[in-house]
Amino acid sequence: EVQLVESGGGLVQPGGSLRLSCAASGFTFSNHYMDWVRQAPGKGLEWVGRTRNKANSYTTEYAASVKGRFTISRDDSKKSLYLQMNSLKTEDTAVYYCVRDVRDILTGGYYMDVWGKGTTVTVSS
Amino acid sequence: DIQMTQSPSSLSASVGDRVTITCRASQGISNYLAWYQQKPGKAPKLLIYAASTLQSGVPSRFSGSGSGTDFTLTISSLQPEDLATYYCQNYNSAPPPFGGGTKVEIK
Repeated sequence: EVQLVESGGGLVQPGGSLRLSCAASGFTFSNHYMDWVRQAPGKGLEWVGRTRNKANSYTTEYAASVKGRFTISRDDSKKSLYLQMNSLKTEDTAVYYCVRDVRDILTGGYYMDVWGKGTTVTVSS
Repeated sequence: DIQMTQSPSSLSASVGDRVTITCRASQGISNYLAWYQQKPGKAPKLLIYAASTLQSGVPSRFSGSGSGTDFTLTISSLQPEDLATYYCQNYNSAPPPFGGGTKVEIK
């Protein structure tokens, strides 16, 4: 069974740091692009960032709202994805989802096909 | 950046009704569009990709159509378990934007 399990969420003060982890199982993790998507309380979905696979040099992209503060990394040997969050702001409070990308053979685009259950990050003093 | 606009933001329909949700892109996105269903308290689930391709395991009462800037998600016969918020997403842009969501309630 394909599964993504996030961990590491919690309560942190503004300006603080937190590292989220995502453990993957049931598929060849190293082949896939991976994303983080977040959802603030009562709000919609917001893409946070992406890491590509080794074949694409593990390149990363970030939303403007987190660029320079958040860093995505991965360890293919551990089938794990990470999100290092620094200089946290109250507006970063959200459920953070780890998401697998899959390539559409026909169009070449990468869409999000498997989502974890999420981990909650609360930034508050 | 490309913007995705969904309408309506919410709707209420009866079991058995045909329900249509629209999603408009601020510029042409070909068919790089996905639809997700998020039930209360749960993670989103992929329903449709490439605008009209049904994800494996998704009931056939769900269908998608459109290309370019205008897209629709249709539920042919609404079921009680379809209570959820539905999101569209353009997945071939950087950043890949989501629509604001459409909350579907059962009368």
